[in-house]
Amino acid sequence: ETGVTQTPRHLVMGMTNKKSLKCEQHLGHNAMYWYKQSAKKPLELMFVYNFKEQTENNSVPSRFSPECPNSSHLFLHLHTLQPEDSALYLCASSQEGLAGVEYNEQFFGPGTRLTVL
Amino acid sequence: GDSVTQMEGPVTLSEEAFLTINCTYTATGYPSLFWYVQYPGEGLQLLLKATKADDKGSNKGFEATYRKETTSFHLEKGSVQVSDSAVYFCALSDQGSGTSGSRLTFGEGTQLTVNP
Repeated sequence: ETGVTQTPRHLVMGMTNKKSLKCEQHLGHNAMYWYKQSAKKPLELMFVYNFKEQTENNSVPSRFSPECPNSSHLFLHLHTLQPEDSALYLCASSQEGLAGVEYNEQFFGPGTRLTVL
Repeated sequence: GDSVTQMEGPVTLSEEAFLTINCTYTATGYPSLFWYVQYPGEGLQLLLKATKADDKGSNKGFEATYRKETTSFHLEKGSVQVSDSAVYFCALSDQGSGTSGSRLTFGEGTQLTVNP
């Protein structure tokens, strides 16, 4: 595998289900991100992990729970979701802390298309 | 806070037509600016970037110039192809510290369809 992979690619769940999204990056990066992409809206940054530590939570409801067991893996645990949570969830990674680099490019996975019934 | 506004789509063009997708931004400080592209069924890919005023980013025939005076970063291509059909996102970055990660603020995206 290369780049950033996400599983599953599609997920349909009921509001009472518990499921998890998985992201894996094969780039040796030290920062990982979860974004939410809804129709007609800009991408929304949800969580940021740097060196496995959560450094940002953009007022995301507690029904979304991230987990970063190591610098290569990122999970998003889902429970008691609402229909308005249906969206494409994108994972990204980057290498942070590079001296002299003006911007550290984020590499995105293909996303998980989530539908909440 | 920071924000990015891009022209609404969808945009439909014929092959070899000239493309412009407008993007303006508001930000404190001096952000870096980007265009990302999302092909059907795929994640976002960085298309081009510019990190300071008057820089021109270019890639695959696409160009965008960082205009500080008009706070704009319009995407252009002289002759589009069917394979350019995708969603294009304008974004800016307030460069995070070395330990907190970069922050990207995206526009809503513009769907481009190029017909043969």
